[in-house]
Amino acid sequence: DVKVTQSSRYLVKRTGEKVFLECVQDMDHENMFWYRQDPGLGLRLIYFSYDVKMKEKGDIPEGYSVSREKKERFSLILESASTNQTSMYLCASSFGGRGREQYFGPGTRLTVT
Amino acid sequence: KNQVEQSPQSLIILEGKNCTLQCNYTVSPFSNLRWYKQDTGRGPVSLTIMTFSENTKSNGRYTATLDADTKQSSLHITASQLSDSASYICVVSVKGGYNKLIFGAGTRLAVHP
Repeated sequence: DVKVTQSSRYLVKRTGEKVFLECVQDMDHENMFWYRQDPGLGLRLIYFSYDVKMKEKGDIPEGYSVSREKKERFSLILESASTNQTSMYLCASSFGGRGREQYFGPGTRLTVT
Repeated sequence: KNQVEQSPQSLIILEGKNCTLQCNYTVSPFSNLRWYKQDTGRGPVSLTIMTFSENTKSNGRYTATLDADTKQSSLHITASQLSDSASYICVVSVKGGYNKLIFGAGTRLAVHP
């Protein structure tokens, strides 16, 4: 069974804080993704990585950065959290190649006050 | 612009009844279409995948259809159960490049006893 885990289920941070969200997958997947999910909107891609130390911007990268130092781990960083970054954050992973299934973690609900 | 639209936004049905969820997409080039189920507080889990040449695919009580000409898909749930209460998300994969997905906003289904 594929397992994608995220470091926290719920997180509350203050405006201006630096926030780290961690994601780990155990299936040796090449690709890893970070999405945010807001009510009434589909999942939106923030960043993805197709290999260690490689990263590409998604549709909404502003205010975020990522790090992938090991194949199994992909971190999302909010350099200076703002209230409009309050959201559900979902990590996913997949094998390389087109149309491959993405496996999702349970999500981290982040509240920025 | 690549888009996936789902209807209805929300649906309430009684346990044991059938229902059909709709998905229209304008995604090109098309690779495949998946339906995901997302339970409250959890990440999405794939139910079915359909490629261009497939018209229908079943997974237990879930049956997905695809009309590639009209760019429409549906998910039919038979003999609903309380555990079917969840959001159902239509996701279209874009051919080429990395594994880019276009997400619908989802249909929130509530099954009542």
